Amino acid sequence: DVKVTQSSRYLVKRTGEKVFLECVQDMDHENMFWYRQDPGLGLRLIYFSYDVKMKEKGDIPEGYSVSREKKERFSLILESASTNQTSMYLCASSFGSSKKYFGPGTRLTVT
Amino acid sequence: GQQVMQIPQYQHVQEGEDFTTYCNSSTTLSNIQWYKQRPGGHPVFLIQLVKSGEVKKQKRLTFQFGEAKKNSSLHITATQTTDVGTYFCAGGDKGTYKYIFGTGTRLKVLA
Repeated sequence: DVKVTQSSRYLVKRTGEKVFLECVQDMDHENMFWYRQDPGLGLRLIYFSYDVKMKEKGDIPEGYSVSREKKERFSLILESASTNQTSMYLCASSFGSSKKYFGPGTRLTVT
Repeated sequence: GQQVMQIPQYQHVQEGEDFTTYCNSSTTLSNIQWYKQRPGGHPVFLIQLVKSGEVKKQKRLTFQFGEAKKNSSLHITATQTTDVGTYFCAGGDKGTYKYIFGTGTRLKVLA
């Protein structure tokens, strides 16, 4: 059974801090995605990666960066956290254009 | 850029009533996926539609993909309390692995 894990379920950070969100998948999927979920806005794509060291911007990349040094791991970085980045962050992986497997999510609060 | 709108945003139904959510894209899609997110959970894949005019059924759930591949619908017959959650469509962008999620429809089933 595919498993996508995220480093934290809940995270509280201060404005201006650097924040790392980690995602690991165990099914050798080449595609990995970071979304944020906000009420009434659905899931919005921040970045995705289709191979190691490859990345593409999604719809809302501003204020975020990503890293994919190993196939199984995709990290989302908030260089300087701001209150408007308070959200639920969901990581997903997939093989090609087939179904996505989502992690449990990280609820980030920036104060 | 590509936009995927989903209506309605909320739907409350009595148990046993039918339910439909609609998904409309501003551009032609390569395929469409549907996900269900239970309260407090993460999105879980339901189905993928690829062909123009395609109809697929899963027990009480019927999924349709429009002839122009720009719209889709999910219909649930005789809802049950286990159907509670938010239903998302995700439109596949041609030539990439990028998927744009709709805003979701939150379904509440009253017993």
